[in-house]
Amino acid sequence: EILLTQSPGTLSLSPGERATLSCRASQSVANNYIAWYQQKPGQAPRLLIYGASSRATGVPDRFSGSASGTDFALTISSLEPEDFAVYYCQQYGSSPITFGQGTRLDIK
Amino acid sequence: QVQLVQSGPEVKNPGSSVKVSCKTSGGTFKNFAINWVRQAPGQGLEWMGGILPLFGIADYAQNFQGRVTITADEFASTAYMELSSLRSEDTAVYYCASGSEPAARLNWFGPWGQGTLVTVSS
Repeated sequence: EILLTQSPGTLSLSPGERATLSCRASQSVANNYIAWYQQKPGQAPRLLIYGASSRATGVPDRFSGSASGTDFALTISSLEPEDFAVYYCQQYGSSPITFGQGTRLDIK
Repeated sequence: QVQLVQSGPEVKNPGSSVKVSCKTSGGTFKNFAINWVRQAPGQGLEWMGGILPLFGIADYAQNFQGRVTITADEFASTAYMELSSLRSEDTAVYYCASGSEPAARLNWFGPWGQGTLVTVSS
C-alpha cells in the first residue's frame, strides 16, 4: 500500500498570496497517477488535478500540479477567497487507492 | 454530464448492515468504475473499494475486506455498497465517485455523489 503524507497540516495565508501544498509518496507512483481534490465544509470533494499536472475541466489556471520523483505539489498562484478549503492528494496508480490526510488552507 | 445521486441518510444499530445506493445518469454506466469513499466526522477520505461494471469484479481495501460488498446493476445504472457488522466507528459520510476514463479499474474520481450519512448508534 502506498502511503501519502501531506504537508503542512495547516497553511495560513492571505488572499493574493501563493500557496504550495506538498504530497510525498512512500514509494514510486505508477505513471505519476496523482490527483488533487478540494473539499469545502458540507460538500463532496471536487477534482482539481489528475495525472499529477493535468487540470480538470473548469478548474482555474491558478491551480497547477507538479511531480518530482515521489514528491508531488499543488500550487495556487494567487489565492482567491473561495480557495480556502481542505485539499487532498490521491494516488490511483496501484490498488489500494490511497489518499493523503489532507492540508487545511486557512485565511490568515 | 455524468451525475451520481445517492440514497438517503441511515441510522443503524451496532451489528447490523447498511446498503447505500448510487444511481448514475448522463453516461455509459458499465464503462466507468464506481468507487466508494468514506469520511468520518472531522476526518479525511478513505477509499473502501470500487467496481468496474464492464467486468463486474470489485476491488476492496484491506481494512474492509470481509465486511463490504460492492455491486452494480447495469440495467438500473446503479451501484451499491453494503457494509456489515456495523460499529460506532463506521459512523461517517459515504460517497460514491465515478472514474473518468472508460474501462479503467483504477482512475481519478470525476463526478461524486452528494454523500450519505450513516449513523451507527444504539
